[in-house]
Amino acid sequence: GAGVSQSPRYKVAKRGQDVALRCDPISGHVSLFWYQQALGQGPEFLTYFQNEAQLDKSGLPSDRFFAERPEGSVSTLKIQRTQQEDSAVYLCASSLRGLGNYEQYFGPGTRLTVT
Amino acid sequence: AQTVTQSQPEMSVQEAETVTLSCTYDTSESDYYLFWYKQPPSRQMILVIRQEAYKQQNATENRFSVNFQKAAKSFSLKISDSQLGDAAMYFCAYSPYSGNTPLVFGKGTRLSVIA
Repeated sequence: GAGVSQSPRYKVAKRGQDVALRCDPISGHVSLFWYQQALGQGPEFLTYFQNEAQLDKSGLPSDRFFAERPEGSVSTLKIQRTQQEDSAVYLCASSLRGLGNYEQYFGPGTRLTVT
Repeated sequence: AQTVTQSQPEMSVQEAETVTLSCTYDTSESDYYLFWYKQPPSRQMILVIRQEAYKQQNATENRFSVNFQKAAKSFSLKISDSQLGDAAMYFCAYSPYSGNTPLVFGKGTRLSVIA
């Protein structure tokens, strides 16, 4: 596709359920980022991949959050035993790796509502 | 830790007029990148403009320009000839010069354009 895609666009989960959010980056983009955006706030970094390697997961709020990118393209963010405070928009972004190229291209996000 | 502050939660501008959105940041790095992203109600984050800290010349992109004051750690966005389509959330963001690294976002400014 021409841009970053994310699915589902909307997800409603009951408290305690597990959810999986998918990100399809732009073809050929080496770097992939996940951000969490609470209502009325700016996005906050969760984790970062370079190809299949997870280089930074310092932003993951708890061990209930897990991300993977096994083949260096599609990535999945998994949240186990969801809590109400997990309700947010989850944004994925990808970028080329290369000197001077620093633009991150964002997907439309997945809005997660935990009831 | 780097921080980004946007002190104007909301701004409004008359169509065809000029508006300036403020952003300040805090970092101990000497080289870094600064960005302005636009997020319309559809949620897709779009890069508006970027500035490399080592460049003294202010970046411009058509109707969008920045006033980068490195010593003051200030990075404001000026939108000239405002259009209805400019209405959106605007986020200021920072990234270290080390390359494909996570963005640090401000809390955003909601811009309304009045016809």
